[in-house]
Amino acid sequence: DGGITQSPKYLFRKEGQNVTLSCEQNLNHDAMYWYRQDPGQGLRLIYYSQIVNDFQKGDIAEGYSVSREKKESFPLTVTSAQKNPTAFYLCASSITTGENQPQHFGDGTRLSIL
Amino acid sequence: GQNIDQPTEMTATEGAIVQINCTYQTSGFNGLFWYQQHAGEAPTFLSYNVLDGLEEKGRFSSFLSRSKGYSYLLLKELQMKDSASYLCAVRDPGGSQGNLIFGKGTKLSVKP
Repeated sequence: DGGITQSPKYLFRKEGQNVTLSCEQNLNHDAMYWYRQDPGQGLRLIYYSQIVNDFQKGDIAEGYSVSREKKESFPLTVTSAQKNPTAFYLCASSITTGENQPQHFGDGTRLSIL
Repeated sequence: GQNIDQPTEMTATEGAIVQINCTYQTSGFNGLFWYQQHAGEAPTFLSYNVLDGLEEKGRFSSFLSRSKGYSYLLLKELQMKDSASYLCAVRDPGGSQGNLIFGKGTKLSVKP
């Protein structure tokens, strides 16, 4: 079945540690996104990529990094510079970034600080 | 600025009809999306409106008035499984390309 796979489902980070969240899609979508969801807040865009080998900062990119070396994969690294990383992280993809293209989401990774 | 407002919580009875409102103020407008999100799960796409009027999809309908900056999601014949958060999102061409601006979501509880 086609879809978006995020792993791991739960992740714990120690102080000063970088951690990487995986996102893989087999929908043949060009565009991929990373969002952060905090309780009582809307989803906020961290990074997005319209095509392989290209990505752009979203609204809250500080303390995060991404790569897009393959169409199917868009991993997110939460660096030690991100001082408040505890959140629910959602990866999404869409056929393109066209206006009427809905974004399809993975099941999310919940990141906590040890 | 950019702002999307939705009620925080709503309660309704199984079998009833509920309307979830969304108002938005954005620098531009290129469509509005509704998503459903069960607790701890991924949001799933429900509907898309870019022109004024009502779009119907089974038990769910979505309405848009661009002049009023207003949309609603109408859920009919409510079922217990409809208990979830409903997210309103606007595509603003003035923002990061492809960026959706999300409201905080409306948590709907359906009671027997």
